[in-house]
Amino acid sequence: AQKVTQAQTEISVVEKEDVTLDCVYETRDTTYYLFWYKQPPSGELVFLIRRNSFDEQNEISGRYSWNFQKSTSSFNFTITASQVVDSAVYFCALSGANFGNEKLTFGTGTRLTIIP
Amino acid sequence: DADVTQTPRNRITKTGKRIMLECSQTKGHDRMYWYRQDPGLGLRLIYYSFDVKDINKGEISDGYSVSRQAQAKFSLSLESAIPNQTALYFCAAEHSGTGELFFGEGSRLTVL
Repeated sequence: AQKVTQAQTEISVVEKEDVTLDCVYETRDTTYYLFWYKQPPSGELVFLIRRNSFDEQNEISGRYSWNFQKSTSSFNFTITASQVVDSAVYFCALSGANFGNEKLTFGTGTRLTIIP
Repeated sequence: DADVTQTPRNRITKTGKRIMLECSQTKGHDRMYWYRQDPGLGLRLIYYSFDVKDINKGEISDGYSVSRQAQAKFSLSLESAIPNQTALYFCAAEHSGTGELFFGEGSRLTVL
């Protein structure tokens, strides 16, 4: 069975601060994918990143960066110099790469509030 | 234009009524999914389909059924709605092998 844990239910930071959202996962698959999605107040779900389990390189995209550590089964997401527009619920998700186990399992989400 | 379109966007109904939520996608993705979102529970998978003739139960399929009428359409039915099915429902489509889901805008269902 696959499981994704986002222990932080809600986080509030002041604008321009850095913030890290934690994600811990469990899977028996040797190959899998990890994802982050953003759900702004308008409600839609926006894809942010997909990471293959073979690739442990950290990734940076503008103010966003992701730290994948297989040894601790974590895939944390950091926003640098946060902005009010970053306020949203963020979901971490996991899917297996093996046939039949490819559906996405989501964590419960972290609500991030950026205070102006 | 949105890749994935859900109708209706909002619906209020009464206990025992039959409800259908419809989903269509324009990009020819082969895989489609229905999730429900509840506060504090994240998104939970109801049903998914990897092709027109393929239907699979997710983790919370009881009380729901689906139909994949064509590659572009995947509808979710509640045969006899109950109040604890009040939730925000999302349809998603995925091109197999990419892992990237394109979500619809959600359908908010309230069962009184």
